[in-house]
Amino acid sequence: NAGVTQTPKFQVLKTGQSMTLQCAQDMNHNSMYWYRQDPGMGLRLIYYSASEGTTDKGEVPNGYNVSRLNKREFSLRLESAAPSQTSVYFCASRQDPLKEAFFGQGTRLTVV
Amino acid sequence: SQKIEQNSEALNIQEGKTATLTCNYTNYSPAYLQWYRQDPGRGPVFLLLIRENEKEKRKERLKVTFDTTLKQSLFHITASQPADSATYLCALGQGGKLIFGQGTELSVKP
Repeated sequence: NAGVTQTPKFQVLKTGQSMTLQCAQDMNHNSMYWYRQDPGMGLRLIYYSASEGTTDKGEVPNGYNVSRLNKREFSLRLESAAPSQTSVYFCASRQDPLKEAFFGQGTRLTVV
Repeated sequence: SQKIEQNSEALNIQEGKTATLTCNYTNYSPAYLQWYRQDPGRGPVFLLLIRENEKEKRKERLKVTFDTTLKQSLFHITASQPADSATYLCALGQGGKLIFGQGTELSVKP
């Protein structure tokens, strides 16, 4: 069982470059989430998609865009990367609000 | 402003003792609260969910309490083992969102 798969696992970007982080889940979950994790800050919600076709801002959306491509896939785009976006990014999915969230293995992004 | 706060300092305990972790929240009215475990370099893994109308939930050596008056959840690990060493995160649901605290690092010494 693959669960939640994120690509890539590691990435180094130069300031101003753009990139898209990919996330796919094979559990037929309705909701998907993007978080960033920085030392001492816990997980901070960037964007989420409660169901296919909808997306909403989380706690720290500035500098990011998302696309819920279909029920399986939820991508996160950095249009112009900044060093402040250096972080570990986690994608998660769950069936509904009262269910557990399943996380991917994370993407370590460094912006130089 | 809305906040979720967990013990910011690492918790160090001796094997066999009970570990108690705290999660406090401000300006939220969550319908439920969840606890997750995170090991270094890995994504969080779900442990327990407790609903607002439940006072206590147990699973093996784990126990969670939820006090909506105090706006607090306590997470207990009884008979702790070195393998329980990890970071533990609480999370609450707000509409479709799942909001996390910053986590508490637990270290269980043999």
